[in-house]
Amino acid sequence: NAGVTQTPKFQVLKTGQSMTLQCAQDMNHEYMSWYRQDPGMGLRLIHYSVGAGITDQGEVPNGYNVSRSTTEDFPLRLLSAAPSQTSVYFCASSYDPGQFTGELFFGEGSRLTVL
Amino acid sequence: TQLLEQSPQFLSIQEGENLTVYCNSSSVFSSLQWYRQEPGEGPVLLVTVVTGGEVKKLKRLTFQFGDARKDSSLHITAAQPGDTGLYLCAGGWGAQKLVFGQGTRLTINP
Repeated sequence: NAGVTQTPKFQVLKTGQSMTLQCAQDMNHEYMSWYRQDPGMGLRLIHYSVGAGITDQGEVPNGYNVSRSTTEDFPLRLLSAAPSQTSVYFCASSYDPGQFTGELFFGEGSRLTVL
Repeated sequence: TQLLEQSPQFLSIQEGENLTVYCNSSSVFSSLQWYRQEPGEGPVLLVTVVTGGEVKKLKRLTFQFGDARKDSSLHITAAQPGDTGLYLCAGGWGAQKLVFGQGTRLTINP
């Protein structure tokens, strides 16, 4: 079972470069989300989606764009990378978009360094 | 400012000891979840509590949701080295948002 797959696992960027973090899930989950994890900050929600064509902002959306053209894929785009975006990024999905009584399934993470 | 505050942030104890980790907020949550994360991996769900006052047990782990649904605790009895990891609480916030505490890094020494 693949679950939630994130690519790349590691990436180094220079300030101002753009890139896309890919996320795919094979569980037919309607809900997908992106978090960033920084030391001492836990996980902070960047953007989320409750289905194809629907996205919304989380706690820290600035500097990031998302789109959801299919149920399976939820890419995260950094348009102009900044050192403050150095972090570990996690994609997650769930079958329960409403009340979070179900499990949030996470990918293994993408470690991004911006120089 | 964190919506969910966990304490302590770091805890190092000897094998066999008991411990409690707290997750507190001034806000009411529709549900409260606890996750455990190993290095290099994503968090994995341990438990979900949805009713104020609810207590759930998972082997040596006991989880409690506060009566007012603003706080939760995780108690581990007779801790073992395999319990070492980052423990994260997460609350259902508004519609479709799950927000996390900053985590408690637990180390159990043999």
